Amino acid sequence: KNQVEQSPQSLIILEGKNCTLQCNYTVSPFSNLRWYKQDTGRGPVSLTIMTFSENTKSNGRYTATLDADTKQSSLHITASQLSDSASYICVVSEKGSDYQLIWGAGTKLIIKP
Amino acid sequence: DADVTQTPRNRITKTGKRIMLECSQTKGHDRMYWYRQDPGLGLRLIYYSFDVKDINKGEISDGYSVSRQAQAKFSLSLESAIPNQTALYFCATSDFRTGTTGELFFGEGSRLTVL
Repeated sequence: KNQVEQSPQSLIILEGKNCTLQCNYTVSPFSNLRWYKQDTGRGPVSLTIMTFSENTKSNGRYTATLDADTKQSSLHITASQLSDSASYICVVSEKGSDYQLIWGAGTKLIIKP
Repeated sequence: DADVTQTPRNRITKTGKRIMLECSQTKGHDRMYWYRQDPGLGLRLIYYSFDVKDINKGEISDGYSVSRQAQAKFSLSLESAIPNQTALYFCATSDFRTGTTGELFFGEGSRLTVL
């Protein structure tokens, strides 16, 4: 069964610190992997989309990595800010289907001043 | 103004009532989607539409119906609401030209509570 597992479920860090969120997936065949940021009560917003051939992709202070061999991805946040408090969701697309996305449950990140 | 607008943003209703959630977009995208989000779970696809005449069921379509009134409008209906349909509902759009890596653009969500 295609699944996306994220860890940790929740994380609290101090402002200015770095953190890394993990995503493991079993989706096959693989097409692409996405990271979304979802503020409380808002719709998800795309951070990165990575295809099979991409190992690393950055979007400002957000850097995503992908290891397609081990089916793992991580999202690293550098120099966290209070506005980074949100849920971060890993989403994997199945090859051959451009609508069937497998969504993780998300990691809830809280940045404390 | 938001590119993807959902109405209502919040709705409380009773079991058995008919409910319609509406979505309109100004992005000019042909593809539109309805998702449901429950606490602790990933988003789940209810219905999707690739153009006005192309509507398809997602993984959890039972108890729901949709209407694509125009390229820019996609409505979700609950014919007879039940309590386990209490959830946060999101409309999303994407551009077919971006294919399988197409970014999804979400509305602000409609929180539905069925008593």
